[in-house]
Amino acid sequence: EAGVAQSPRYKIIEKRQSVAFWCNPISGHATLYWYQQILGQGPKLLIQFQNNGVVDDSQLPKDRFSAERLKGVDSTLKIQPAKLEDSAVYLCASSPPDRTNTGELFFGEGSRLTVL
Amino acid sequence: AQSVTQLDSQVPVFEEAPVELRCNYSSSVSVYLFWYVQYPNQGLQLLLKYLSGSTLVKGINGFEAEFNKSQTSFHLRKPSVHISDTAEYFCAVSVGGGYSTLTFGKGTMLLVSP
Repeated sequence: EAGVAQSPRYKIIEKRQSVAFWCNPISGHATLYWYQQILGQGPKLLIQFQNNGVVDDSQLPKDRFSAERLKGVDSTLKIQPAKLEDSAVYLCASSPPDRTNTGELFFGEGSRLTVL
Repeated sequence: AQSVTQLDSQVPVFEEAPVELRCNYSSSVSVYLFWYVQYPNQGLQLLLKYLSGSTLVKGINGFEAEFNKSQTSFHLRKPSVHISDTAEYFCAVSVGGGYSTLTFGKGTMLLVSP
């Protein structure tokens, strides 16, 4: 089966510019997650969707980050305006219905953002 | 809230030597435990998981881990490493129930040299 797809893989922007990342989860996976992984640290959850509804966005910096999953399938994460500290890898993950209660995730390859 | 501590940021080891990567967790309730591996410029791949039952779990690529509830640990081991095992290893915990989320440790870089 196809894995979690993410694009773009790499993006370089200047501070105060905007950027958007796209994710398509594994077919049938109702739960979708965006994680931020700063160099030298473990992934940190930004937002979790169940179908097209938000389950947890408590760690999403809402003044500059937004995410949506309009049709309950693919998702977009946007940063506007970007700051230097947003340089990180943005990982999308999904989980099938029978794994959601354990937290087992399937990850995409990530989108690496560099803010200059 | 749960947390994970990976005690070593980097572990250098020679090829064919055994290795142990340490992980301790903190939680007031029962947990599910995971080890993920991340190769350079790739996403995270599940190595193994503990959900319930036997405390010794075996994963892919010859890795295994043992859940120790009294020590709140879930250390990862491999009896003989290969160069190809060079990667970042992340321990993660979830508390289950509803829409559970994973909390990750900071990672341990395993460096295997010939």
